[in-house]
Amino acid sequence: EIVMTQSPATLSVSPGERATLSCRASQSVSSNLAWYQQKPGQAPRLLIYGASIRATGIPARFSGSGSGTEFTLTISILQSEDFAVYYCQQYNNWPPLTFGGGTKVEIK
Amino acid sequence: EVQLVESGGGLVQPGGSLRLSCAASGFTFSSYDMHWVRQATGKGLEWVSAIGTAGDTYYPGSVKGRFTISRENAKNSLYLQMNSLRAGDTAVYYCARAGTGGPLRGAFDIWGQGTMVTVSS
Repeated sequence: EIVMTQSPATLSVSPGERATLSCRASQSVSSNLAWYQQKPGQAPRLLIYGASIRATGIPARFSGSGSGTEFTLTISILQSEDFAVYYCQQYNNWPPLTFGGGTKVEIK
Repeated sequence: EVQLVESGGGLVQPGGSLRLSCAASGFTFSSYDMHWVRQATGKGLEWVSAIGTAGDTYYPGSVKGRFTISRENAKNSLYLQMNSLRAGDTAVYYCARAGTGGPLRGAFDIWGQGTMVTVSS
């Protein structure tokens, strides 16, 4: 099983600042990595797939990078609606499909 | 509008059974792999099962032998039969559509709103 580790668990950022979230895989997942955003009481929403491809309708301030075992989600200028929990997920080697534990982006 | 709507959640005693349903609309259901993902309150996401377009099924060890995923393309519906339920199965259960083609395959591009399953005596 591929273990996905996200850091930090919580990120305190002011609106207008940049947020950088990390995701590490226990073995290479190539570029088969997705990022999701989840707000309280809502289902997750796909942000990024293929490690760096924005999903339909996702603003350009969201960007993904990395390959192999190290990945980054960057939110360039945080908006109020971006405060949420973010999950990474690998789909290179499954079953099982695995998610990271999540990073909560909170208002500083 | 592309949509997934889950139903069938509720309170069940340990050892009991429950069947979840997911109604799909707005897309050609038979052309997509479908999954179930769950989330315990305040916890992260856990993949529960998958079914391919050919009916091939996949499970993690935590539910294998207890849960059965199935689909009925004529009714645009996905199901999850859950048997021998445990307290640890308590969670919101989401159905999710896996993208098709290239780098999107395996990522979940459409999610339902979820249905709550509580296993308790």
